[in-house]
Amino acid sequence: DVKVTQSSRYLVKRTGEKVFLECVQDMDHENMFWYRQDPGLGLRLIYFSYDVKMKEKGDIPEGYSVSREKKERFSLILESASTNQTSMYLCASSSVVGTGRSRTYEQYFGPGTRLTVT
Amino acid sequence: GDSVTQMEGPVTLSEEAFLTINCTYTATGYPSLFWYVQYPGEGLQLLLKATKADDKGSNKGFEATYRKETTSFHLEKGSVQVSDSAVYFCALSSSYKLIFGSGTRLLVRP
Repeated sequence: DVKVTQSSRYLVKRTGEKVFLECVQDMDHENMFWYRQDPGLGLRLIYFSYDVKMKEKGDIPEGYSVSREKKERFSLILESASTNQTSMYLCASSSVVGTGRSRTYEQYFGPGTRLTVT
Repeated sequence: GDSVTQMEGPVTLSEEAFLTINCTYTATGYPSLFWYVQYPGEGLQLLLKATKADDKGSNKGFEATYRKETTSFHLEKGSVQVSDSAVYFCALSSSYKLIFGSGTRLLVRP
């Protein structure tokens, strides 16, 4: 089974702190993603990475940065945490499955980190 | 751009009732369609998928059929259980990115 792990389930930080959220996957997937999940808004993509040291902005990258130095690890960084970044953060990894018209990408999610910024 | 719309919740049912959660999409090309489930305190799990028109995805008694003519991918289950209480997300993919609906919470009462 694919396993995606996140460094913390719950995290409490103060406004202005630098925050690191770590994600590790064990299936040699090329693609990794960071989402935030808020009530009524569903999941919104913050950043994704399609290879080591490669990254691309998602829909809401402001206030965040990422790092991918190794294929299995993808870090989300909040340079200066603010209260509006209180949220559930979900990491995912994906690879292609199937062939021809059945070819698609499946994403596998970690358990999430609930971050509270006070 | 591509988007997914699903019915607002919560949906509250009694055990053994029939479930339908509606999902419609807007997309160019030929996306793959997915249903994910999120149990309380956990991340998302892939429930089922369909990669082309008329495909039916199924898993754990849940089913959904990819209907290109109505751009829909409704989730159904014939007899729900208390353990099915969760949030269900419809999603589409036309590349390596997923676009999610806002989620529908299902509450099943004994």
